[in-house]
Amino acid sequence: EAQVTQNPRYLITVTGKKLTVTCSQNMNHEYMSWYRQDPGLGLRQIYYSMNVEVTDKGDVPEGYKVSRKEKRNFPLILESPSPNQTSLYFCASRMKGGLTRQPQHFGDGTRLSIL
Amino acid sequence: DAKTTQPTSMDCAEGRAANLPCNHSTISGNEYVYWYRQIHSQGPQYIIHGLKNNETNEMASLIITEDRKSSTLILPHATLRDTAVYYCIVSPDNYGQNFVFGPGTRLSVLP
Repeated sequence: EAQVTQNPRYLITVTGKKLTVTCSQNMNHEYMSWYRQDPGLGLRQIYYSMNVEVTDKGDVPEGYKVSRKEKRNFPLILESPSPNQTSLYFCASRMKGGLTRQPQHFGDGTRLSIL
Repeated sequence: DAKTTQPTSMDCAEGRAANLPCNHSTISGNEYVYWYRQIHSQGPQYIIHGLKNNETNEMASLIITEDRKSSTLILPHATLRDTAVYYCIVSPDNYGQNFVFGPGTRLSVLP
């Protein structure tokens, strides 16, 4: 089954303790991205990657890092989490090519709470 | 990027057609209209997209006005499982393009 898998689905942690949210897709997609969703603000893109070893900042990259060493994986790293990063996070992927040819596939989300 | 305006919320009776409007009066000639939906806090799900012609797939129909300044998503026979937030997005068809999700319309399908 084609899917985007995020782990963990839920995490409560404390300020300053480094954490990584993993994202893996099994569709051989070139494009992957991370979004965060906050009440009243919709989904905002954090980082995206157009291929292996190619990453770029989205609209709200501060406080986050990503890496793309393999095509299928795109982890989101919070080196020193803070309470304002408490949010619902989504990973998405799609194939190379225009948006009209390849809709984005989203994971089921990771709910992070930073105390 | 062009902005979209959608009603905050709508109700629809189960079994009836749900018509969700979207205004995008500043849309550019190379921008498409996309619709996604998000059920509860799951990941957004693609529904349909179009440029200027009306489109239909197994989930919905998309009607775009001739001047392309507005569109309507139609769910022909709404079910309770169609209760969700529906997002109308306009964007060019570029590989690197980022989607901008606004607040969307919260559709409640009532029994």
